[in-house]
Amino acid sequence: GQQLNQSPQSMFIQEGEDVSMNCTSSSIFNTWLWYKQDPGEGPVLLIALYKAGELTSNGRLTAQFGITRKDSFLNISASIPSDVGIYFCAGPSLIQGAQKLVFGQGTRLTINP
Amino acid sequence: DVKVTQSSRYLVKRTGEKVFLECVQDMDHENMFWYRQDPGLGLRLIYFSYDVKMKEKGDIPEGYSVSREKKERFSLILESASTNQTSMYLCASNTGSGGYTFGSGTRLTIV
Repeated sequence: GQQLNQSPQSMFIQEGEDVSMNCTSSSIFNTWLWYKQDPGEGPVLLIALYKAGELTSNGRLTAQFGITRKDSFLNISASIPSDVGIYFCAGPSLIQGAQKLVFGQGTRLTINP
Repeated sequence: DVKVTQSSRYLVKRTGEKVFLECVQDMDHENMFWYRQDPGLGLRLIYFSYDVKMKEKGDIPEGYSVSREKKERFSLILESASTNQTSMYLCASNTGSGGYTFGSGTRLTIV
């Protein structure tokens, strides 16, 4: 089946630093999604990308849909303590009319104040 | 505020027990999903349902079953719990091609 490879698996940074993470796939996706999971909570959608080459921002977050449609990037600028959590990329597979999401392994972000 | 509610945040069960994890959504969504989350493995799909009484296997269905008797409720069943089923379990729902809404998760420990 489709798989997403996300890197890095973990990051330890200082507050105020910028963060970059990426996600690659062996197959094409028509949509890329980025989720964040706060400690003890379920994932919440941050950014959705629908078009190859698209660059979308949500506050300090910027995500890009790769031209090949096989990768995506998420950048966080000027990190703050509340950015701590696990970030997941995801892409949809349509099976029998139901959108099933395939997730990357996650990037765990830790911030030192 | 729309919600997906999982009945327990933390659960400890014994090996061999039959375990029920409950999930309820109030958004009238057709599709519901159960994932398990393990460090370094991301979220892996166990089962999903796209209608009442309908169910489809995900990527790791072995050792699990599900029940969807009502549209708003999707139950995950561990027929005979084993220690390798210790994990975080996440329920989600969506409609059509819309985004997922996740519950807060159930951290299940099998001893």
